[in-house]
Amino acid sequence: EAGVTQFPSHSVIEKGQTVTLRCDPISGHDNLYWYRRVMGKEIKFLLHFVKESKQDESGMPNNRFLAERTGGTYSTLKVQPAELEDSGVYFCASSQERGARAFFGQGTRLTVV
Amino acid sequence: RKEVEQDPGPFNVPEGATVAFNCTYSNSASQSFFWYRQDCRKEPKLLMSVYSSGNEDGRFTAQLNRASQYISLLIRDSKLSDSATYLCVGYNFNKFYFGSGTKLNVKP
Repeated sequence: EAGVTQFPSHSVIEKGQTVTLRCDPISGHDNLYWYRRVMGKEIKFLLHFVKESKQDESGMPNNRFLAERTGGTYSTLKVQPAELEDSGVYFCASSQERGARAFFGQGTRLTVV
Repeated sequence: RKEVEQDPGPFNVPEGATVAFNCTYSNSASQSFFWYRQDCRKEPKLLMSVYSSGNEDGRFTAQLNRASQYISLLIRDSKLSDSATYLCVGYNFNKFYFGSGTKLNVKP
């Protein structure tokens, strides 16, 4: 069974540019989460989808971040325009049920220069 | 106050040693708990879920103490391959809350 996959694995962009991260959850997992780890800090929640609906987006830092999950399958996270402090590793995770064990993708390492 | 707190370590132990990690959580309403393992520059990988009754998986034993709001992980007969960062994770209201991780170095 395929795990959670994320694309790209690395992205280096200039401040002010736009980047779109993609996450393909495990097939059949309705719950999809985005998390972020910035340098030296713990992994922090960004938002949670159940199917195509946003259940909780309280962790999204500001309106430069937009997440979508059209059709309830894969999800995208767009950062526009990117700022230096957006650099970090963005993880996507999925789970079959709320609160059940979640499986993580390999992450996208974003560097804004 | 952080939702989940862990001693960052590092814990430096010889092969074959037994090592224990604890973490504490602040929200008594947290519904479920997990230990994840994260290798350098890799994604977190689920090690085990944590139950009040305690659960064991080979050399690993996890325990949840709801009265004291702490979670423990015991690793017996440490292997070199156990070297990693161990993340304590709680789940509450749609979110997983991560501790900052405890680093374990197992030395030959």
